[in-house]
Amino acid sequence: SQQGEEDPQALSIQEGENATMNCSYKTSINNLQWYRQNSGRGLVHLILIRSNEREKHSGRLRVTLDTSKKSSSLLITASRAADTASYFCATDGRSGNTGKLIFGQGTTLQVKP
Amino acid sequence: DVKVTQSSRYLVKRTGEKVFLECVQDMDHENMFWYRQDPGLGLRLIYFSYDVKMKEKGDIPEGYSVSREKKERFSLILESASTNQTSMYLCASNGAGGPYEQYFGPGTRLTVT
Repeated sequence: SQQGEEDPQALSIQEGENATMNCSYKTSINNLQWYRQNSGRGLVHLILIRSNEREKHSGRLRVTLDTSKKSSSLLITASRAADTASYFCATDGRSGNTGKLIFGQGTTLQVKP
Repeated sequence: DVKVTQSSRYLVKRTGEKVFLECVQDMDHENMFWYRQDPGLGLRLIYFSYDVKMKEKGDIPEGYSVSREKKERFSLILESASTNQTSMYLCASNGAGGPYEQYFGPGTRLTVT
């Protein structure tokens, strides 16, 4: 079952520009996470935001969460060619202690040098 | 440095073969997961395990089984491989108690001919 839906599906920008990706979800959550996947590799955790937080920063990453709209956004500032990857949001959907996450379909980001 | 390893990066099998995909984690995590990833469909959960010898079906368990005899190892079994099981398979793990960041292996790209 799909919980998170990312928008846009694909994004192409020039190096130095900012990239914004959005995620919508359907059920109540305890937290929302963002992951990155380089082509043909496993996913790497980027950042987690709890349901009682509205904004979180990590380096060039800024994540916002609006639980009233069931949506989140990931902003990558001053993008670099190395940021080219797919980005996924994932929610726990209040899954208790199973540790299960539900992933969206991802946004593919291309940063042109 | 945390690590999740998968037995093969690339695997080619014939229709009808029994296929074993192995995943090992060195973080003493209670929870382990198997996903498959297909273009346009994101990550879909096949099975997960929250303890040794415990397993639960995910969203797409048909055609798969799993085994967890030791805490660090979680195996995915394709009893009789079919061409529609050609996919990228990702293993992940996390600890009990939250906040449930998942650590992923590098993935196994399986081709069934």
